Amino acid sequence: DAGITQSPRHKVTETGTPVTLRCHQTENHRYMYWYRQDPGHGLRLIHYSYGVKDTDKGEVSDGYSVSRSKTEDFLLTLESATSSQTSVYFCAISDNPYEQYFGPGTRLTVT
Amino acid sequence: AQSVTQLDSQVPVFEEAPVELRCNYSSSVSVYLFWYVQYPNQGLQLLLKYLSGSTLVKGINGFEAEFNKSQTSFHLRKPSVHISDTAEYFCAVAGSGDYKLSFGAGTTVTVRA
Repeated sequence: DAGITQSPRHKVTETGTPVTLRCHQTENHRYMYWYRQDPGHGLRLIHYSYGVKDTDKGEVSDGYSVSRSKTEDFLLTLESATSSQTSVYFCAISDNPYEQYFGPGTRLTVT
Repeated sequence: AQSVTQLDSQVPVFEEAPVELRCNYSSSVSVYLFWYVQYPNQGLQLLLKYLSGSTLVKGINGFEAEFNKSQTSFHLRKPSVHISDTAEYFCAVAGSGDYKLSFGAGTTVTVRA
């Protein structure tokens, strides 16, 4: 299995608070992705990175920002959490654009 | 951007019976196609992929899929399922030169004894 971890694994937070989720890899893969998973929607791409400091938006990027200052870490920040951001968040890594390896996920609840 | 339609949201099946999960994608000049499996409370695991070559692709755990360009389909099959195949299955597509995957909504397979 690809060496990919996510932290925290579970988080409950209140509406309006900032939240940061961390994805850490030990594979030295170039590409990193953040997805959210919601029933009936599959996985939807939030943001992705194709190198240190190189990031771009996905299809559901509103309300989220990302940073990648090191190859191994990709951070997802919810600037002001809303109930609509309650979801399971998955990080993925890849050393080519087409074969992605997924982390275990973070379950986020915004009350 | 590519889009993916998984035609069945839930598929109940008896143990040792065959199963087929249907996936259609939006047309493009060339695409790359994937099936992922998600077991309960876990991340996604790659089952198989089509990048080029033979249209019949074999994956892990006895699964296979067939790429049909004229019908823009990539259906997943297994001739005999086990209880342990109970999971959610996702079809995904990427266009040539596109570094992003688009996922279908998923198909939940429940295998009963």
